[in-house]
Amino acid sequence: TQLLKQSPQFLSIQEGENLTVYCNSSSVFSSLQWYRQEPGEGPVLLVTVVTGGEVKKLKRLTFQFGDARKDSSLHITAAQPGDTGLYLCAGGNSGYALNFGKGTSLLVTP
Amino acid sequence: GAVVSQHPSWVICKSGTSVKIECRSLDFQATTMFWYRQFPKQSLMLMATSNEGSKATYEQGVEKDKFLINHASLTLSTLTVTSAHPEDSSFYICSARGFDVVPYNSPLHFGNGTRLTVT
Repeated sequence: TQLLKQSPQFLSIQEGENLTVYCNSSSVFSSLQWYRQEPGEGPVLLVTVVTGGEVKKLKRLTFQFGDARKDSSLHITAAQPGDTGLYLCAGGNSGYALNFGKGTSLLVTP
Repeated sequence: GAVVSQHPSWVICKSGTSVKIECRSLDFQATTMFWYRQFPKQSLMLMATSNEGSKATYEQGVEKDKFLINHASLTLSTLTVTSAHPEDSSFYICSARGFDVVPYNSPLHFGNGTRLTVT
């Protein structure tokens, strides 16, 4: 099993602050996906990155895939209460199933 | 976008009974579906991979006789928790991946999960 480590595990910030969540592995992944999950619901896909060094932006969210395709980061600018949730990274490789990190639980307070 | 429907959303059952959870892909055919289990404030743990028309592949430590998986069609997979016990209480989530020439790049589409409480 290829392990994905996410940090921090918990993060509580105030509205308007910036934050970065990290996803690291000792293994190379063909692709990496970020999901956001709210309590009692299934994860919702935010982005898929496949190329080493790739940067993707989704409004206030910026995703980066490391050059070696072993790590990724999610940066949120000017966080809002609506960004509150569990952020999960998941790595894909030759198999079909994704390996999930343990997640970063984000709380943004007004 | 692709939609995966999971039913029921929540269920409460007595210890010793069995519970069936359905996972349907509504607008695409899913040759492969995955069943995950999630404990509070923890990540998703893959339980098994369900393949249409064949036996499911279970992850290490998951009892196949306790968690029965049936994938009888390209749009439906079921997970039956047999002889449920309180420790089986959890959030069960199914996901599906449609056909893609690059399978490992295809995102998983998730159902909204089933909250199982065994009393």
